[in-house]
Parts: sequence; structure tokens; C-alpha cells
Amino acid sequence: SQQGEEDPQALSIQEGENATMNCSYKTSINNLQWYRQNSGRGLVHLILIRSNEREKHSGRLRVTLDTSKKSSSLLITASRAADTASYFCATDAYQGAQKLVFGQGTRLTINP
Amino acid sequence: NAGVMQNPRHLVRRRGQEARLRCSPVKGHSHVYWYRQLPEEGLKFMVYLQKENIIDESGMPKERFSAEFPKEGPSILRIQQVVRGDSAAYFCASSGGQAVGYTFGSGTRLTVV
Repeated sequence: SQQGEEDPQALSIQEGENATMNCSYKTSINNLQWYRQNSGRGLVHLILIRSNEREKHSGRLRVTLDTSKKSSSLLITASRAADTASYFCATDAYQGAQKLVFGQGTRLTINP
Repeated sequence: NAGVMQNPRHLVRRRGQEARLRCSPVKGHSHVYWYRQLPEEGLKFMVYLQKENIIDESGMPKERFSAEFPKEGPSILRIQQVVRGDSAAYFCASSGGQAVGYTFGSGTRLTVV
């Protein structure tokens, strides 16, 4: 089954509110990354959290990682219309595997 | 510094034709990865190549799909005898050797009619 499952699948909030997306995975990992994809476009790397880290911040983004629960969350604070996009988590497996395993993504809509 | 360049951006093929997707990695990157994204889904790993070598092709369909990364020139993902189910966005990424250093291209959107 798919490593890296996000929930919710879709999220619609008002501009200015906070958006929280969750990701679960199944195997041990080296790192977990979050990407954004605008409709019909490529992926933009947002933030990386290593398996020995529990929380990381970057601007309005906050990522947490709980390796005991094999889960991560991405919080976007003070959302803006430009944050409307799909958000994916991606893991690279422990022991040097080079490939990333992506979840199905959360489609975030920010309503003005 | 150019990022990962993929072309064409859009490709339309009739069933049974061949599709060739090209990917030029970031200058200095010798590791290339191909992913496929079906509508409303996440990316699925297809193949990982280093110069002239296929390192991991565990995500490649056994038939009709092939990939190469020659010593000179771009990486090529080739799909022979395309079928409607091949319609998807194909993304290429490159790195200097670690999954943390990925740079993605903008993708090629293949439509099979």
C-alpha cells in the first residue's frame, strides 16, 4: 500500500486562517519533505525535516515529525489566496534509497 | 543557473505511437529520477539513473517503457505503442546524489488520443 498518506484529501478555509495537513507513512525514513504543486505545474520544495528532528519552521510554515507514530504535519499560518495548491509529503526510505515516495496530496483552497 | 529542463511541456500522441520525453538535469547533477503523476494523485517513482547506468527501475512498467541517461545529452524516457492509460504528467528530477537535494522539472504532460 501507499507510503505517505495525507489527510484531509481536500481542505477549504478562509484567508487568514491556519491550515493543517497531516501525513502518515509506513517504513523507517531518513527524511520527510513537503512539496507544493500549483495546478498544472511542477513541484516546489517547501521544507525538509530529518528523522532526528521533531519540529521545523520556515516563514509561515511549521512542520512536525513524530517518528513513533510515523506521522508529520504541515501548518501554514495566516493563509493567503496564493497558498491555494496541492501539498504533498514525500519520504526517502532508510538505508540510502534514493527514491522519494509521495502521498496522494491535500488540495488546499484559500477563499478570499 | 538553469533548473531541470523538460521538453516538450505538452505532448499529444495517438494510440500506438511512440512518446519521447527529454530531461536535462541541473548542471553538475549526475543523478536523474523519473516520476509519473496521474490526475488527482501523487507522484509515483519510475526509474533512477546515473550517467549511462540504470540504478533502480522498480517503478517502471515491464513493457513498452525504457529510460536512458547517456554520457552526453539529456535523459530520455521512451514509451512505445502508447495507450490511453499512459496519459499523465511525467516529472524528472535531478540531484547531486542524495534524495534531499532533488530539483524537479516542470513536467511533460502526455495525452494519448
